[in-house]
Amino acid sequence: KQEVTQIPAALSVPEGENLVLNCSFTDSAIYNLQWFRQDPGKGLTSLLLIQSSQREQTSGRLNASLDKSSGRSTLYIAASQPGDSATYLCAVGSGWGGSQGNLIFGKGTKLSVKP
Amino acid sequence: GAGVSQSPSNKVTEKGKDVELRCDPISGHTALYWYRQSLGQGLEFLIYFQGNSAPDKSGLPSDRFSAERTGGSVSTLTIQRTQQEDSAVYLCASSSRPHFRQGGLYTGELFFGEGSRLTVL
Repeated sequence: KQEVTQIPAALSVPEGENLVLNCSFTDSAIYNLQWFRQDPGKGLTSLLLIQSSQREQTSGRLNASLDKSSGRSTLYIAASQPGDSATYLCAVGSGWGGSQGNLIFGKGTKLSVKP
Repeated sequence: GAGVSQSPSNKVTEKGKDVELRCDPISGHTALYWYRQSLGQGLEFLIYFQGNSAPDKSGLPSDRFSAERTGGSVSTLTIQRTQQEDSAVYLCASSSRPHFRQGGLYTGELFFGEGSRLTVL
């Protein structure tokens, strides 16, 4: 059974700092991994989607890497800003058919960037 | 519109009433998901539709919950005889069908609506 863990659960950093959020999964047979951002009271916004054949994706100050063999993904945020404050979730897609559309979410990392 | 649309954005109802929540996915997306998020909690999977296949209802918490998807597009989540513990934000998401291309299997990006906040008094 696939399990997704995000560490840390919460993180507070000063503005301008580079930071890394971690996502680990127990079953390496995945077909994609997606990072989301959720602001309070809002839906989830897709940040980056990494297919199983890819190692990383970049968008602006964000870089997400994927290492299937070790069951890990990291989201790197460069030069953090107060506007980056939100909860960041990763979701792993694995298998075909079956339950939950084969999407398993982590519980998220709540990021606070202090001015 | 271009994104996933959900309505109503806010719903306040009395205990015991039935409610319907609507989700309009991105045009052409074959997969549709419903999730529930209670205050301060993670996402709880409810139900998944993929094309014309039978939906995966394994996440529905009780028989008071049901969902349908008409014509492979709009979906309605119905909660009968609402209880206070049903209070939450109900999120809908959609994605395109996976397909093969050079490099292997490519799967769709998941797009979420803004959610419907349900409060049961």
